Amino acid sequence: QVQLVQSGAEVKKPGASVKISCKASGYTFTTYFLHWVRQAPGQGLQWMGLINPSGGTSVYAQKLQDRFTVTTDTSTSTVYMELSGLRSDDTAVYFCARRTLRGTYYDSWGQGTLVTVSS
Amino acid sequence: SYVLTQAPSVSVAPGQTARISCGGNNIGTKNVHWYQQKPGQAPVLVVFDDSVRPSGIPERFSGSNSGNTATLTITRVEAGDEADYYCQVWNTGSEYVFGTGTEVTVL
Repeated sequence: QVQLVQSGAEVKKPGASVKISCKASGYTFTTYFLHWVRQAPGQGLQWMGLINPSGGTSVYAQKLQDRFTVTTDTSTSTVYMELSGLRSDDTAVYFCARRTLRGTYYDSWGQGTLVTVSS
Repeated sequence: SYVLTQAPSVSVAPGQTARISCGGNNIGTKNVHWYQQKPGQAPVLVVFDDSVRPSGIPERFSGSNSGNTATLTITRVEAGDEADYYCQVWNTGSEYVFGTGTEVTVL
C-alpha cells in the first residue's frame, strides 16, 4: 500500500534551517507529484509547494519561495523540504502529501513532522 | 491570491445533518475537495471533485458546488465524525488553496 513516512521532530533556533524527509513506498515514485503542507498549532492547513519527482521541477507558494526548497532523490524515493531563516511562526507540523494522478487532490499523506522554532 | 472561507464551527446532534460551507469567488467553476482531520492525525480525503466519495468513505458524506459556495453534507452524524473539515481547490498558477477549516462538534 502507499506509504509516506516522514523524519522525526526537530527543534531549531531562530535563523536556522531545517530539512525534513518524506520517504515514499508502495507505488512508482516518479509518477506522482509530492506536495508539502504545514499546520501551525491550532491553525489551518497551508500549502507550501510541490515537486515533480520526474525531472525535479518545483513550484513554491509565493510567500515562502525565498526560504523554501524542495528536492528529490529518486534512488531512495525520498523527497526533502528545507526551510531557512526560521522564525517562531514557522513552528508547525509539516506534512508531505501525494497528489493524485487525475486530479488536484491528495490521496495519501505523511504522518507529519513537528518543527519547533524557539530560542 | 484565492481565498476560501469556512465557518469556524458547526455543532450538530447525533443522527442529525451537518452542513459545512466553503465560500470562494466563483468556486462553482473549480473542483472542490474535502478533508477530515482528527486531532494529532493527518487529513483524510472524504470527497473529491465536488461530490465523489473515495472508496471506504460512508455514503453519509456528500458534496455539492455551485456559484460561490461549496458544501459538504454529513447525514446521520455520528460521534466519530467529530473533527476539523477543510475544503481545498487548485487555483490557476499552480496555487493550491485550503479553506480556513470548520470544527464539527457532535453534541
